[in-house]
Amino acid sequence: GEDVEQSLFLSVREGDSSVINCTYTDSSSTYLYWYKQEPGAGLQLLTYIFSNMDMKQDQRLTVLLNKKDKHLSLRIADTQTGDSAIYFCAEIETGRRALTFGSGTRLQVQP
Amino acid sequence: GAVVSQHPSRVICKSGTSVKIECRSLDFQATTMFWYRQFPKQSLMLMATSNEGSKATYEQGVEKDKFLINHASLTLSTLTVTSAHPEDSSFYICSALHKGQRKAMEQYFGPGTRLTVT
Repeated sequence: GEDVEQSLFLSVREGDSSVINCTYTDSSSTYLYWYKQEPGAGLQLLTYIFSNMDMKQDQRLTVLLNKKDKHLSLRIADTQTGDSAIYFCAEIETGRRALTFGSGTRLQVQP
Repeated sequence: GAVVSQHPSRVICKSGTSVKIECRSLDFQATTMFWYRQFPKQSLMLMATSNEGSKATYEQGVEKDKFLINHASLTLSTLTVTSAHPEDSSFYICSALHKGQRKAMEQYFGPGTRLTVT
C-alpha cells in the first residue's frame, strides 16, 4: 500500500526559513498536499501541487516536487511564531479521492 | 469560502451509548465527504467515504455496523458511533470534497470532534 513519511519535529528561529520534507512511495500519486493543524483543531489546506509540476509558490510558501525521488517539500519563508503547528503532507493516488497522510511534522518557531 | 463545520466539538458519553456527529459544508455542496480518525500525536486514518444518496464505503478494519454513516444531502453527513466503548475515544475529523469541478481536488476539513467514552 501507499506510504507517506515525514520527519517528526523541526525547530527554527523566527524570521528564518523552514523546510519540511516528505517522501512517498506511490508513483501513481496525482495530487500532493500540505495541510496545517493547530492544537485541537482541524486541518487547514495550505497548498497542493499536481504531479506534473515541479514547483508552486504562494506568498511565503514554496512547494517543490521531485517526482523521480518521490520527494515533496514545503518551504516557509520568514517563519513566524503563528506558523507553529503540525504540518501534514498528503497524497491522492489515481482512482481514489481520499487522502493518505504522512505522520505530520511538528514545527516549533522560537522567538 | 469552503467552510466545513462539525457538531459537537466535544462530547463525553458513557460506555454503551451512541453518539452522533454531524459534518456540514456551509457554503458549498459536497457530493463526497470523508470521515477520519486521529489518535493523539498521530496522523489521520481514513475510516470511510460518504457519498450523497448512496451507501458509505468503509476502509478495511472499520466496522460499518459500529460506525454508521448517513449522507442525506449535499451539505450534511453524519457519523454515529454505536454502543461506544472507551477504545472509541478519539478525535474524529470530517472533510468535504468540493462539488465544483474547478475545486474538485480541494478537500476541506472540519474542526474535529473530540469523543471521550467513560
